Amino acid sequence: AQSVTQPDIHITVSEGASLELRCNYSYGATPYLFWYVQSPGQGLQLLLKYFSGDTLVQGIKGFEAEFKRSQSSFNLRKPSVHWSDAAEYFCAVGAGYGGSQGNLIFGKGTKLSVKP
Amino acid sequence: EPEVTQTPSHQVTQMGQEVILRCVPISNHLYFYWYRQILGQKVEFLVSFYNNEISEKSEIFDDQFSVERPDGSNFTLKIRSTKLEDSAMYFCASSEGLAANPQYFGPGTRLTVT
Repeated sequence: AQSVTQPDIHITVSEGASLELRCNYSYGATPYLFWYVQSPGQGLQLLLKYFSGDTLVQGIKGFEAEFKRSQSSFNLRKPSVHWSDAAEYFCAVGAGYGGSQGNLIFGKGTKLSVKP
Repeated sequence: EPEVTQTPSHQVTQMGQEVILRCVPISNHLYFYWYRQILGQKVEFLVSFYNNEISEKSEIFDDQFSVERPDGSNFTLKIRSTKLEDSAMYFCASSEGLAANPQYFGPGTRLTVT
């Protein structure tokens, strides 16, 4: 069965420091992978997506993620964190088949706190 | 930029009552979804809808739940007889099509069952 693991429940980084949020997935075929961000009281905003091709994908707000098939990982990175990046980040895999993205399976999320 | 909208933002209801949560997907999108997030837990898939019928549903989506696209713009989730454990944030999402089209989420409706 498909699954997504985000091993870090809560991460705190200093403003200006680099960030890496980990995501591992379990899926039998080439996955559709996503990162979403949820600010307090808000909905889910798409940060970036991977479907195929270049394994390093760029997203909004200066985020990027790298797909590593050998490690079943899709880690999210940002070179310099801003205080406004404090939020909860969700990794998700599309559970579809036959070209369909299908429903999304989410990880439990990583809450990011930013120190001044 | 087009976005998914949901109403109401917060709904309080008594156990056993029926509720209808409303969503307006992005206008040229063809696939519609409902997810829920119980407080402190992960976002869970409920149901997907395409071409006026359910295409996939999870174990959570039992006979108490139903979805409908009553007109060309709205997409609704009905819970017939709410239970305390239905208290959650309910997210609607839509996507343009298959595969390479991501799902865009609405801001959610917080449902509180008392």
